[in-house]
Amino acid sequence: AQSVTQLDSHVSVSEGTPVLLRCNYSSSYSPSLFWYVQHPNKGLQLLLKYTSAATLVKGINGFEAEFKKSETSFHLTKPSAHMSDAAEYFCVVSDEGSGGFKTIFGAGTRLFVKA
Amino acid sequence: GAVVSQHPSRVICKSGTSVKIECRSLDFQATTMFWYRQFPKKSLMLMATSNEGSKATYEQGVEKDKFLINHASLTLSTLTVTSAHPEDSSFYICSAQHRGPDEQFFGPGTRLTVL
Repeated sequence: AQSVTQLDSHVSVSEGTPVLLRCNYSSSYSPSLFWYVQHPNKGLQLLLKYTSAATLVKGINGFEAEFKKSETSFHLTKPSAHMSDAAEYFCVVSDEGSGGFKTIFGAGTRLFVKA
Repeated sequence: GAVVSQHPSRVICKSGTSVKIECRSLDFQATTMFWYRQFPKKSLMLMATSNEGSKATYEQGVEKDKFLINHASLTLSTLTVTSAHPEDSSFYICSAQHRGPDEQFFGPGTRLTVL
C-alpha cells in the first residue's frame, strides 16, 4: 500500500540559509514522486518530479530532490532560502495498483522564512 | 505549463441548495480529472477520480450521491454538491492529468461556504 510521510509539519529557516523538507514514502511498485508548492490563495504548482530517470531531480526556483530507494526518501532541498519560498509544500507519490494509478498527498510542510 | 481553470472561485449558498463547480483544462486533453477537498491548514484529501466518459471512482467515505461528478468531455469535469450543509463548507480543488502517473495540473480552487 502507498503512503507518504512528511516528517515536519513546519520548518523555519533564515533567508539565505539552506532548506531541507523531508519526505518518506512507501510503495509496492516503482513510484513516481512529486513535490508541489501551494502559496496562500494560489493553486498548487509543481516544483519537480521523479519518474524513474535520474535520481537527482532539479526543479524550478532552485529546488532539487534526491530519490533514495534504499532509504525510501525524496527530500526536497534548496541551497539558499528566499522570502518568496515561504509556502506550504506537499510531497506526493503516485504508482499503479490493482485499481489503476493512485496518488497520495503527504500532510504538508509549512516553510517559514525569516528575514 | 498546462492551465486548469475552476469556476466559480468562491460561492456562498444556503443550506439545502445544490452547487455546481466546473473544472476545465484549457490547453490540453485530460484523460483523468481529480477532485480534492482541503480543510484549513490541512493537506488535500482526494474525493474522487474521474475518467472521461465513465463513472467516477470515489474514495472511501465520500458519498457519491452527495458529490456528483460528471466528466463529459476531455476538457470539462463538474462537481455538484447536492443538498449542501454547513459541514460541506471547504476548499475544493480539481486537477487534470493527461496520463498517469504524470504530473497533475491543479485548478486554483473553489471556496464553498454553506450558511
